[in-house]
Amino acid sequence: EAGVVQSPRYKIIEKKQPVAFWCNPISGHNTLYWYLQNLGQGPELLIRYENEEAVDDSQLPKDRFSAERLKGVDSTLKIQPAELGDSAVYLCASGTRHHGDGYTFGSGTRLTVV
Amino acid sequence: QKEVEQDPGPLSVPEGAIVSLNCTYSNSAFQYFMWYRQYSRKGPELLMYTYSSGNKEDGRFTAQVDKSSKYISLFIRDSQPSDSATYLCAMSSTGANNLFFGTGTRLTVIP
Repeated sequence: EAGVVQSPRYKIIEKKQPVAFWCNPISGHNTLYWYLQNLGQGPELLIRYENEEAVDDSQLPKDRFSAERLKGVDSTLKIQPAELGDSAVYLCASGTRHHGDGYTFGSGTRLTVV
Repeated sequence: QKEVEQDPGPLSVPEGAIVSLNCTYSNSAFQYFMWYRQYSRKGPELLMYTYSSGNKEDGRFTAQVDKSSKYISLFIRDSQPSDSATYLCAMSSTGANNLFFGTGTRLTVIP
């Protein structure tokens, strides 16, 4: 099993440019999360999907961030335009609906905005 | 005040030592408590999961939850260099709700 696959692993862009991250969750996992992790900090939820529905996007800065999960499988997170403060690691995770089953994180996309 | 507080360390111990990692929290609704381990440039991986108060043991790892004090701990016995990583506590009010993470404690086990 490949686990949660994220791409790209690293991305460097200039401020004001758009950027997109892609996530392929584990097969059969209905719940998908996008987390933001700043250096030296714990992950913070951006958005949670149950199948194709965004059930919690209260922490997503909607003026510049958008996300989609077509057909309830792969997901894309987009930032447009990127700002210097967006430099961080963007983590995708997938799981069943219960934490006790554990959900699996991908290795993340490390974004640097210059 | 953050909902979950965790001493960021760093913590450096000799191989074989007992390690104690701790978190405190403010939300009394939290009932699900987890410890994640994160190696450098990797995503977090679930290490221990506990529901409500009590202890849970898995090999060299023991998780303790004291809801009355809003305090959770992770103990690592006979620590190994391969345990060197960042340890994140996480908690939730329901089994399916958002997880709130601590800042992580960076642990180094010296051979």
